[in-house]
Amino acid sequence: QKEVEQNSGPLSVPEGAIASLNCTYSDRGSQSFFWYRQYSGKSPELIMSIYSNGDKEDGRFTAQLNKASQYVSLLIRDSQPSDSATYLCAVKRDQYMAGKSTFGDGTTLTVKP
Amino acid sequence: EADIYQTPRYLVIGTGKKITLECSQTMGHDKMYWYQQDPGMELHLIHYSYGVNSTEKGDLSSESTVSRIRTEHFPLTLESARPSHTSQYLCASSEDRGYEKLFFGSGTQLSVL
Repeated sequence: QKEVEQNSGPLSVPEGAIASLNCTYSDRGSQSFFWYRQYSGKSPELIMSIYSNGDKEDGRFTAQLNKASQYVSLLIRDSQPSDSATYLCAVKRDQYMAGKSTFGDGTTLTVKP
Repeated sequence: EADIYQTPRYLVIGTGKKITLECSQTMGHDKMYWYQQDPGMELHLIHYSYGVNSTEKGDLSSESTVSRIRTEHFPLTLESARPSHTSQYLCASSEDRGYEKLFFGSGTQLSVL
């Protein structure tokens, strides 16, 4: 079993719909959770970080964390074609050395006009 | 706005050549990282540094080496490039206050013929 697993893609949604990306992790002691967006041929860009249970909203993005169930999700409301990218989930045991996070394989999202 | 730079952006080189991939950041971050990423695959940490004169190997074994003589500079060297080294190499740094966030450079796409 992988330490960080993301829902298999690719995921395709129509423009304006809600895209839901899911991630489960195996280390129950994990404390820091990140979502990165990576456009094809580009480097990852941090879009959301979450550290406590519940929801965290930033514009059209909402991260949801449930430590008891060991999952973290990313919702994208009013999806736009510009949201088409691969989304990487990353998990860390503490808040230090963010670069030592464990990354998932990514879920590729396509938003169709 | 993150300022982390990688050069070259693309590099095509013959087998057996020595190469150095450059990475510099102007944010004063102590922690820096090198990743290897193949298309559609997860990020693999190959080297990291806590600060000047501190370097460690990452989770993925790599024949490359790194140095950290200055805070802002974290070059990666391959003494003798092979086709198996063909990949994208991403450099990143993380800030040191509170919960850390990771900033990536634009990457170097290396092709060894």
